[in-house]
Amino acid sequence: DGGITQSPKYLFRKEGQNVTLSCEQNLNHDAMYWYRQDPGQGLRLIYYSQIVNDFQKGDIAEGYSVSREKKESFPLTVTSAQKNPTAFYLCASSLRDRGRSANTGELFFGEGSRLTVL
Amino acid sequence: AQTVTQSQPEMSVQEAETVTLSCTYDTSESDYYLFWYKQPPSRQMILVIRQEAYKQQNATENRFSVNFQKAAKSFSLKISDSQLGDAAMYFCAYSKSQGAQKLVFGQGTRLTINP
Repeated sequence: DGGITQSPKYLFRKEGQNVTLSCEQNLNHDAMYWYRQDPGQGLRLIYYSQIVNDFQKGDIAEGYSVSREKKESFPLTVTSAQKNPTAFYLCASSLRDRGRSANTGELFFGEGSRLTVL
Repeated sequence: AQTVTQSQPEMSVQEAETVTLSCTYDTSESDYYLFWYKQPPSRQMILVIRQEAYKQQNATENRFSVNFQKAAKSFSLKISDSQLGDAAMYFCAYSKSQGAQKLVFGQGTRLTINP
């Protein structure tokens, strides 16, 4: 079945360590996104990529890094520079073409990864 | 910058009754998309309903419908005949119609269904 796979589902990190969250999609979508979810704050955009080898910062990019070497993959690295990394991380994808007949504007989400810093 | 506000952190409704979740947004764009997403305890976000701003007719999907008031920048979700499976966090979201398809989310409303 087509969809978005995030791994791991749960991750524990010691302070000072970098960790990488995986996101893979087989929906043939051009665009991919990373959101962070904290209680009472909704979802906030970290990074997004509209095509391979290109990505842009979102609203809260500090302390995070991404790569987009393949269309299917958009890994997120949480670096030691991120001051408060404990959160739920959601990856999403979408079509890039904004033509009305081809694109609903919808994002498709993975099941998320819970990162806890010990 | 666009913002989305959900003023009801929590709502509850009796099973089979109707409930309305509120959402307001701020934008200077004339064409955009609005969405309601559901996040059940499994945490995966599921699209409930979407509205294109250039369409005057309110979107409906089975028991879910919206009241889109463009001038007031209001986008409420009505759930009719509430079911236990409707219990979840509900997020209102906004997206420009052109350019990168970044969604801006509200803070969410936790909906409880009482049997």
